[in-house]
Parts: sequence; C-alpha cells; structure tokens
Amino acid sequence: EIVMTQSPATLSVSPGERATLSCRASQSIGINLAWYQQKPGQAPRLLIYGASTRATGVPARFSGSGSGTEFTLTVTSLQSEDFALYFCQQFTNWPKTFGQGTRVEFK
Amino acid sequence: QVHLVQSGAEVKKSGASVKVSCKTSGYTFINYGISWVRQAPGHGLEWMGWISGHNNITNYAQKFQGRLTLTTDTSTRTAYMDLRSLRSDDTAVYYCARDTTWFDPWGQGTLVTVSS
Repeated sequence: EIVMTQSPATLSVSPGERATLSCRASQSIGINLAWYQQKPGQAPRLLIYGASTRATGVPARFSGSGSGTEFTLTVTSLQSEDFALYFCQQFTNWPKTFGQGTRVEFK
Repeated sequence: QVHLVQSGAEVKKSGASVKVSCKTSGYTFINYGISWVRQAPGHGLEWMGWISGHNNITNYAQKFQGRLTLTTDTSTRTAYMDLRSLRSDDTAVYYCARDTTWFDPWGQGTLVTVSS
C-alpha cells in the first residue's frame, strides 16, 4: 500500500497570503495525484488531478505541481472560502490512498 | 450536471448490517465505476472499495474483505454499499464518488452510527 503523508497538519494563513501544502508518496506515483478540498459538513470536492490539472470551475489561484514522490498544492492570495481541509490522493495503485489532510485556518 | 444522491442517515446496533444507496444522474452510468470512501468523526478519508459501472467487477480494500459488498443496478443507475457485522468503529460518514481514476463528483455522504 502506498502511504501518502501531508504536511503541515495545520497551516495558519492570513487572507490574501499564499498557502503552500505538501504531499509525499512512499513510492513513485508519477503524476497520478489528486487534491481535494473539504469544508465542514460537506463532501470533498476535486480541485486538481494529474498533479497539476485544475478541475472544472476551480479558480486559477489553485495550482498543483510535482511528480514522483513530492507534490505541492499552492493557493495564491487566500480567500475566505479557501479556509478548509485539503487532502491528496494517489491513484497509481489500489488501494487509492489519501493523505491525512492539511487544515488551512485563519491566522 | 453529474449528481450522486445518497440515502439518509442510519443508526444500527453492533453486529447488524447497513446498506447505503447512491443514485446517479447526468452521465452514462456504465462508463464509470463508483468508489466508496468513509470518514470517521474527526478523521481523514479511507477508501473502501470500487465497483465497475458495467460488469460488476469489484475491488475491495483488504481491511473490508469479507464484510463489504458493492453492487449496482444499471436500470436505476444506482450503486449500493452493504457493510456487515458492524462495530462501533464503523461509525462514520460514508461517501460514494464517481471514479474517473480520481473521484469526481462525490455524493453528499451518509452518516452511519453504530451503537452497542
């Protein structure tokens, strides 16, 4: 099973600032990585797939990068609606494992 | 638009079974699989299993082998998750998601509470 590790667990950011979230895979997964956003009481929402492709309707301030074992989700100029929980997921192998999540909170 | 609508919250006793439905619309059902994911209170996301939309092939997480059965009804475009021998640590929100390799979109979630 591929283990996905996200850091930090919590990221404190002020509105308008940049947030950088990291995700590491225990073995190479190429670009077979997705990012999801989850707000309280809601289902996760796809943000990024293929490591760097934004899903339909996702604002351009969200960007993904990386390949192999190291990945980054960057949110430039955080808006109030961006404070949420973010998960990465690999889809190279079954089971399609998730990271434990990074919570982006108000500083 | 693509929508996945799940059945309502359930409260079950330890040892019982639960069956959650996931009704889909807005896409060709047989062209995509459905994955099921659960989230225990205050915890992360745990993939449980996948079922093909057209030939009932399944893939289960090892943890749930023998306790989980995924099925579909193509006539109603609905997927089902059946989890047996429930324990208190099965208390969680259960999600279905269209599996296009990544998961998009997700159902709204179904809270399953297991009490002793």
